[in-house]
Amino acid sequence: EDQVTQSPEALRLQEGESSSLNCSYTVSGLRGLFWYRQDPGKGPEFLFTLYSAGEEKEKERLKATLTKKESFLHITAPKPEDSATYLCAVKGGTSYGKLTFGQGTILTVHP
Amino acid sequence: EPEVTQTPSHQVTQMGQEVILRCVPISNHLYFYWYRQILGQKVEFLVSFYNNEISEKSEIFDDQFSVERPDGSNFTLKIRSTKLEDSAMYFCASMAQGGGVQFFGPGTRLTVL
Repeated sequence: EDQVTQSPEALRLQEGESSSLNCSYTVSGLRGLFWYRQDPGKGPEFLFTLYSAGEEKEKERLKATLTKKESFLHITAPKPEDSATYLCAVKGGTSYGKLTFGQGTILTVHP
Repeated sequence: EPEVTQTPSHQVTQMGQEVILRCVPISNHLYFYWYRQILGQKVEFLVSFYNNEISEKSEIFDDQFSVERPDGSNFTLKIRSTKLEDSAMYFCASMAQGGGVQFFGPGTRLTVL
Protein backbone atom coordinates (compact mmCIF):
# COMPACT_ATOMS: atom_id res chain seq x y z
CA GLU A 1 0.00 0.00 0.00
CA ASP A 2 1.30 3.44 -0.97
CA GLN A 3 2.03 5.77 1.95
CA VAL A 4 2.91 9.46 2.19
CA THR A 5 4.04 11.32 5.31
CA GLN A 6 4.58 15.07 5.37
CA SER A 7 6.47 17.13 7.91
CA PRO A 8 6.19 19.41 9.69
CA GLU A 9 2.40 19.48 10.18
CA ALA A 10 2.56 23.26 10.50
CA LEU A 11 5.24 25.83 9.78
CA ARG A 12 5.26 29.49 10.68
CA LEU A 13 7.74 31.75 8.88
CA GLN A 14 8.51 35.43 8.78
CA GLU A 15 8.32 37.04 5.38
CA GLY A 16 11.65 36.43 3.66
CA GLU A 17 12.61 33.50 5.89
CA SER A 18 13.40 30.54 3.62
CA SER A 19 12.60 26.96 4.63
CA SER A 20 11.76 23.46 3.35
CA LEU A 21 8.80 21.08 3.58
CA ASN A 22 9.38 17.34 3.57
CA CYS A 23 7.41 14.52 1.95
CA SER A 24 8.48 10.94 2.66
CA TYR A 25 6.89 8.18 0.62
CA THR A 26 6.74 4.44 0.06
CA VAL A 27 5.29 3.25 -3.21
CA SER A 28 5.48 0.30 -5.56
CA GLY A 29 6.92 1.69 -8.76
CA LEU A 30 6.65 5.47 -8.57
CA ARG A 31 4.81 6.89 -11.58
CA GLY A 32 4.88 10.43 -10.30
CA LEU A 33 5.13 12.59 -7.19
CA PHE A 34 2.88 15.63 -7.16
CA TRP A 35 2.85 18.83 -5.14
CA TYR A 36 -0.39 20.75 -4.77
CA ARG A 37 -1.33 23.93 -2.95
CA GLN A 38 -4.68 24.06 -1.14
CA ASP A 39 -6.29 27.24 0.17
CA PRO A 40 -9.01 26.96 2.87
CA GLY A 41 -12.28 25.63 1.45
CA LYS A 42 -10.81 25.20 -2.04
CA GLY A 43 -9.62 22.35 -4.23
CA PRO A 44 -5.96 21.34 -4.61
CA GLU A 45 -4.10 23.49 -7.13
CA PHE A 46 -1.35 21.76 -9.09
CA LEU A 47 2.23 22.99 -8.58
CA PHE A 48 4.77 20.35 -9.72
CA THR A 49 5.21 16.80 -10.95
CA LEU A 50 8.44 14.87 -10.40
CA TYR A 51 9.06 11.47 -11.96
CA SER A 52 12.58 10.32 -11.14
CA ALA A 53 15.22 10.73 -8.43
CA GLY A 54 17.40 13.77 -9.00
CA GLU A 55 14.71 15.69 -10.82
CA GLU A 56 14.04 19.31 -9.82
CA LYS A 57 11.29 21.75 -10.79
CA GLU A 58 11.10 25.45 -10.03
CA LYS A 59 8.34 28.06 -10.10
CA GLU A 60 8.76 31.55 -8.69
CA ARG A 61 9.74 31.12 -5.01
CA LEU A 62 9.13 27.37 -4.97
CA LYS A 63 11.50 24.55 -5.88
CA ALA A 64 10.68 20.86 -5.65
CA THR A 65 13.29 18.08 -5.52
CA LEU A 66 13.01 14.30 -5.48
CA THR A 67 15.06 11.40 -4.10
CA LYS A 68 14.18 7.71 -3.99
CA LYS A 69 12.52 8.09 -0.59
CA GLU A 70 11.47 11.70 -0.21
CA SER A 71 10.72 15.02 -1.83
CA PHE A 72 11.37 18.52 -0.60
CA LEU A 73 9.53 21.70 -1.37
CA HIS A 74 11.90 24.60 -0.83
CA ILE A 75 10.39 28.04 -0.31
CA THR A 76 12.77 30.94 -0.88
CA ALA A 77 11.99 34.37 0.59
CA PRO A 78 8.30 33.58 1.14
CA LYS A 79 5.58 36.19 1.08
CA PRO A 80 2.29 36.24 3.04
CA GLU A 81 0.43 35.15 -0.11
CA ASP A 82 2.37 31.86 0.01
CA SER A 83 0.36 30.95 3.12
CA ALA A 84 -1.60 27.76 2.34
CA THR A 85 -1.60 24.02 2.92
CA TYR A 86 0.91 22.21 0.71
CA LEU A 87 -0.05 18.67 -0.24
CA CYS A 88 2.20 15.91 -1.52
CA ALA A 89 0.77 12.94 -3.42
CA VAL A 90 2.14 9.86 -5.19
CA LYS A 91 0.89 7.74 -8.04
CA GLY A 92 2.01 4.13 -7.75
CA GLY A 93 2.75 1.62 -10.47
CA THR A 94 -0.13 -0.67 -9.58
CA SER A 95 -2.83 1.98 -9.77
CA TYR A 96 -4.94 3.34 -12.62
CA GLY A 97 -4.08 6.88 -11.64
CA LYS A 98 -5.11 6.91 -8.00
CA LEU A 99 -3.27 9.58 -6.02
CA THR A 100 -2.31 8.86 -2.40
CA PHE A 101 -2.03 12.08 -0.43
CA GLY A 102 -0.13 13.08 2.67
CA GLN A 103 -1.69 15.02 5.52
CA GLY A 104 -0.25 18.29 4.24
CA THR A 105 1.87 21.04 5.77
CA ILE A 106 0.06 24.21 6.83
CA LEU A 107 2.35 27.12 5.99
CA THR A 108 1.78 30.54 7.53
CA VAL A 109 3.96 33.45 6.45
CA HIS A 110 3.80 36.52 8.67
CA PRO A 111 4.57 39.98 7.25
CA GLU B 1 -7.61 28.62 -18.83
CA PRO B 2 -9.78 25.47 -18.75
CA GLU B 3 -10.88 24.33 -15.32
CA VAL B 4 -12.93 21.67 -13.59
CA THR B 5 -16.24 22.95 -12.23
CA GLN B 6 -18.48 21.42 -9.57
CA THR B 7 -22.05 22.02 -8.44
CA PRO B 8 -23.42 22.67 -5.95
CA SER B 9 -20.74 24.32 -3.84
CA HIS B 10 -22.60 23.29 -0.67
CA GLN B 11 -25.23 20.59 -0.22
CA VAL B 12 -27.12 19.99 3.01
CA THR B 13 -29.17 16.80 3.29
CA GLN B 14 -30.90 14.61 5.83
CA MET B 15 -29.47 11.24 6.76
CA GLY B 16 -30.86 8.53 4.47
CA GLN B 17 -31.49 10.86 1.55
CA GLU B 18 -29.92 10.48 -1.89
CA VAL B 19 -27.57 13.15 -3.21
CA ILE B 20 -26.00 13.70 -6.59
CA LEU B 21 -22.82 15.75 -6.89
CA ARG B 22 -22.03 17.10 -10.32
CA CYS B 23 -18.78 17.84 -12.09
CA VAL B 24 -17.84 19.19 -15.49
CA PRO B 25 -14.29 17.98 -16.24
CA ILE B 26 -11.88 19.83 -18.51
CA SER B 27 -12.88 19.41 -22.12
CA ASN B 28 -10.96 16.66 -23.95
CA HIS B 29 -9.88 15.00 -20.69
CA LEU B 30 -10.63 11.29 -20.62
CA TYR B 31 -9.82 10.18 -17.06
CA PHE B 32 -12.10 11.22 -14.21
CA TYR B 33 -11.80 10.89 -10.46
CA TRP B 34 -13.64 11.55 -7.21
CA TYR B 35 -11.86 12.21 -3.95
CA ARG B 36 -13.14 13.29 -0.57
CA GLN B 37 -11.66 15.18 2.35
CA ILE B 38 -13.19 14.94 5.79
CA LEU B 39 -12.52 18.12 7.78
CA GLY B 40 -8.96 18.11 9.09
CA GLN B 41 -8.04 14.86 7.35
CA LYS B 42 -6.21 13.72 4.22
CA VAL B 43 -7.61 13.88 0.72
CA GLU B 44 -8.80 10.30 0.03
CA PHE B 45 -9.29 8.56 -3.31
CA LEU B 46 -12.78 7.23 -4.01
CA VAL B 47 -12.97 6.12 -7.64
CA SER B 48 -11.44 6.49 -11.09
CA PHE B 49 -13.43 6.31 -14.33
CA TYR B 50 -12.26 5.80 -17.90
CA ASN B 51 -13.96 4.75 -21.11
CA ASN B 52 -17.37 4.70 -19.42
CA GLU B 53 -16.43 2.31 -16.68
CA ILE B 54 -14.87 2.27 -13.24
CA SER B 55 -11.17 1.44 -13.48
CA GLU B 56 -10.38 1.49 -9.78
CA LYS B 57 -12.20 2.12 -6.50
CA SER B 58 -11.30 2.34 -2.85
CA GLU B 59 -12.81 0.51 0.12
CA ILE B 60 -14.79 3.67 0.88
CA PHE B 61 -16.62 3.36 -2.45
CA ASP B 62 -19.17 0.76 -1.39
CA ASP B 63 -22.60 -0.11 -2.86
CA GLN B 64 -24.01 3.21 -1.62
CA PHE B 65 -21.87 5.07 -4.14
CA SER B 66 -22.12 5.18 -7.92
CA VAL B 67 -20.66 7.27 -10.71
CA GLU B 68 -21.96 8.12 -14.13
CA ARG B 69 -21.05 10.09 -17.19
CA PRO B 70 -24.56 10.78 -18.50
CA ASP B 71 -23.44 12.88 -21.46
CA GLY B 72 -20.30 14.22 -23.06
CA SER B 73 -19.64 16.84 -20.43
CA ASN B 74 -20.91 15.84 -16.98
CA PHE B 75 -19.53 13.39 -14.44
CA THR B 76 -21.65 12.63 -11.38
CA LEU B 77 -21.24 10.98 -7.99
CA LYS B 78 -24.39 9.58 -6.38
CA ILE B 79 -24.71 8.60 -2.75
CA ARG B 80 -27.87 6.52 -2.39
CA SER B 81 -28.54 6.74 1.33
CA THR B 82 -26.36 9.30 3.06
CA LYS B 83 -24.85 8.73 6.50
CA LEU B 84 -23.52 11.25 8.99
CA GLU B 85 -19.97 10.08 8.21
CA ASP B 86 -20.40 11.03 4.53
CA SER B 87 -20.10 14.69 5.54
CA ALA B 88 -16.97 15.93 3.77
CA MET B 89 -15.64 17.97 0.86
CA TYR B 90 -15.94 16.02 -2.38
CA PHE B 91 -13.50 16.86 -5.15
CA CYS B 92 -13.73 15.92 -8.79
CA ALA B 93 -10.55 15.72 -10.87
CA SER B 94 -9.77 15.07 -14.52
CA MET B 95 -6.70 14.12 -16.50
CA ALA B 96 -5.83 14.21 -20.18
CA GLN B 97 -5.00 11.00 -21.98
CA GLY B 98 -1.30 10.32 -21.61
CA GLY B 99 -0.93 13.19 -19.16
CA GLY B 100 0.05 12.59 -15.56
CA VAL B 101 -1.51 15.58 -13.87
CA GLN B 102 -4.93 15.53 -12.29
CA PHE B 103 -6.65 18.90 -12.15
CA PHE B 104 -9.09 19.36 -9.31
CA GLY B 105 -12.36 21.22 -9.06
CA PRO B 106 -13.28 23.60 -6.23
CA GLY B 107 -15.22 20.92 -4.37
CA THR B 108 -18.72 20.36 -3.02
CA ARG B 109 -19.15 20.56 0.72
CA LEU B 110 -21.66 17.88 1.75
CA THR B 111 -23.29 18.20 5.15
CA VAL B 112 -25.43 15.29 6.36
CA LEU B 113 -27.73 16.09 9.29
